[in-house]
Amino acid sequence: DIQLTQSPSFLSASVGDRVTITCRASQGISNYLTWYQQKPGKAPKLLIYGASTLHSGVPSRFSGSGSGTEFTLTITNLQAEDFAAYYCQQLNAYPLTFGGGTKVEIK
Amino acid sequence: EVQLLESGGGLVQPGGSLRLSCAASGFTFSVYTMTWVRQAPGQGLEWVSTIRGSGGVTYYADSVKGRFTISRDDSNNMLFLQMNSLRAEDTAVYYCAKGETDWGQGTLVIVSS
Repeated sequence: DIQLTQSPSFLSASVGDRVTITCRASQGISNYLTWYQQKPGKAPKLLIYGASTLHSGVPSRFSGSGSGTEFTLTITNLQAEDFAAYYCQQLNAYPLTFGGGTKVEIK
Repeated sequence: EVQLLESGGGLVQPGGSLRLSCAASGFTFSVYTMTWVRQAPGQGLEWVSTIRGSGGVTYYADSVKGRFTISRDDSNNMLFLQMNSLRAEDTAVYYCAKGETDWGQGTLVIVSS
């Protein structure tokens, strides 16, 4: 099974900050990686697919990069509505797997 | 507009069974891959099972293989998850999802005596 290791698991940031979340795969997954945002009590929302393609309607301050085993999600100019949990997921092979998540909280 | 509405969650004793349903609308259900994902209280997301469209090939997480069965009724735009031999660790909110883009609001399953 492909393991995804997200880091950090928790980060504290301020409005206007730039934050970067890393997702490392235990083996190469090409660009079959998605990023989700989840707010408390709500279903996850797709942010990025194919490692770097922004889903329709997602603000351009979100960006993704990477290929193979190392991926990043970057949020520039962090907004109040961005404080949430973020998860990566690999779609390269079954069983599909998620990273452990990163909780972004207000400093 | 895509809509996914889960139902069937509730309280069940260990060893019991439950059948979750997901009513889909707003898209051509039969051609889409559908997935169940769960989230235990205060924990992260866990992929549970996927069923492909147009043929229905299925995939399961090791944690549920042999106990859960995913199925679909394309004529009625419904997705199902039959859960047998339930354990306390199956307690979670269960989401159905259309591909990666659309998710339901979730249904809570609590396995407890």
